Amino acid sequence: QKEVEQNSGPLSVPEGAIASLNCTYSDRGSQSFFWYRQYSGKSPELIMFIYSNGDKEDGRFTAQLNKASQYVSLLIRDSQPSDSATYLCAVIPSGTYKYIFGTGTRLKVLA
Amino acid sequence: DAGVIQSPRHEVTEMGQEVTLRCKPISGHDYLFWYRQTMMRGLELLIYFNNNVPIDDSGMPEDRFSAKMPNASFSTLKIQPSEPRDSAVYFCASSQTGGRQPQHFGDGTRLSIL
Repeated sequence: QKEVEQNSGPLSVPEGAIASLNCTYSDRGSQSFFWYRQYSGKSPELIMFIYSNGDKEDGRFTAQLNKASQYVSLLIRDSQPSDSATYLCAVIPSGTYKYIFGTGTRLKVLA
Repeated sequence: DAGVIQSPRHEVTEMGQEVTLRCKPISGHDYLFWYRQTMMRGLELLIYFNNNVPIDDSGMPEDRFSAKMPNASFSTLKIQPSEPRDSAVYFCASSQTGGRQPQHFGDGTRLSIL
């Protein structure tokens, strides 16, 4: 079973701090990694995707990929209360085009 | 550009009735995915299509569920007969050719089976 694991949280951080969300995956051949944000009662919204080792930055968001250690992280700088949501990690394992989702990490940014 | 469009947004029906959920993918996207989300099981892939052809339906829970994609701009997910345990939010998503592209989700259909 190809799995993706996330800590369910909640992860609480004060406003303005850096929130660090982590995701590990079991299939070493995975090549595509995605982060989605989901507000309660809404659909998943794509935040970032990363294919190569290293960091990818977009505004306040940075995705970090370490294939050797099989983890992908999402950093949110200057966290805002509006960032409070569930963050879903998705991985496309080798030999398929379908996502395997983690169960999500609930983030709470405290004003 | 219009995103993925799903209808209806909400559906409440009685056990045993047929339910049909509809999805229009983003124009030009040739992958279409159907998901189900519940508190207990999270987000589960039910089936996905490539160029209107079902590729993997291993997530379809049982024969009561069926999905079709008659053309590039329309797909349906049908449940017949429906049961209370089918109550969930059903999402449709689409992605561009190349396979490992980001998926874009519709707003979902919240289904309640009484």
